[in-house]
Amino acid sequence: DVKVTQSSRYLVKRTGEKVFLECVQDMDHENMFWYRQDPGLGLRLIYFSYDVKMKEKGDIPEGYSVSREKKERFSLILESASTNQTSMYLCASSSRLRANTEAFFGQGTRLTVV
Amino acid sequence: AQRVTQPEKLLSVFKGAPVELKCNYSYSGSPELFWYVQYSRQRLQLLLRHISRESIKGFTADLNKGETSFHLKKPFAQEEDSAMYYCALSGGAGGTSYGKLTFGQGTILTVHP
Repeated sequence: DVKVTQSSRYLVKRTGEKVFLECVQDMDHENMFWYRQDPGLGLRLIYFSYDVKMKEKGDIPEGYSVSREKKERFSLILESASTNQTSMYLCASSSRLRANTEAFFGQGTRLTVV
Repeated sequence: AQRVTQPEKLLSVFKGAPVELKCNYSYSGSPELFWYVQYSRQRLQLLLRHISRESIKGFTADLNKGETSFHLKKPFAQEEDSAMYYCALSGGAGGTSYGKLTFGQGTILTVHP
């Protein structure tokens, strides 16, 4: 059973804290993604990575950064958490080898910033 | 720029009724289109992709390039179809873009007994 695993299901952090969200996949996928999911807005891409140490901005990168030091692990960093970053965060991975490939999602991390 | 629009936030039908979830897209190239589904307390997962032209759990979706639509249809809805449904588009060239998705706003489908 293929797996994308996010380290936390729920997180509560204070405004101004540095927050790390971790994601690990066991499918040897090259591409990894971070989305945030908000009601009425769907999923929006924050950052993605197509190789170790490679990253590209998505549609809403402001206030976030990412790190990919190993192929299987992709971290999302909130440098200074703010209340408008309260959301559900989804990690995903996919193969880079063929078009129309399926993206596999983690179970999500619900982050609340107070 | 690519865009996906799902005009219905909520859709309610009775069991056994036909259901159609609408999806329109905007993309200048040749799109790859998908439907993803999220059942209660489960992770988001692929339902079907246009290239496969298959029926999954009784659902089908046809890509209409003239109308730039990819509506999801099922002739007889079941209670277990109740879920959040997202239409998604993957564009761009090359492997680095594979799996990179632009999502619609989502439609919550409720099938009543």
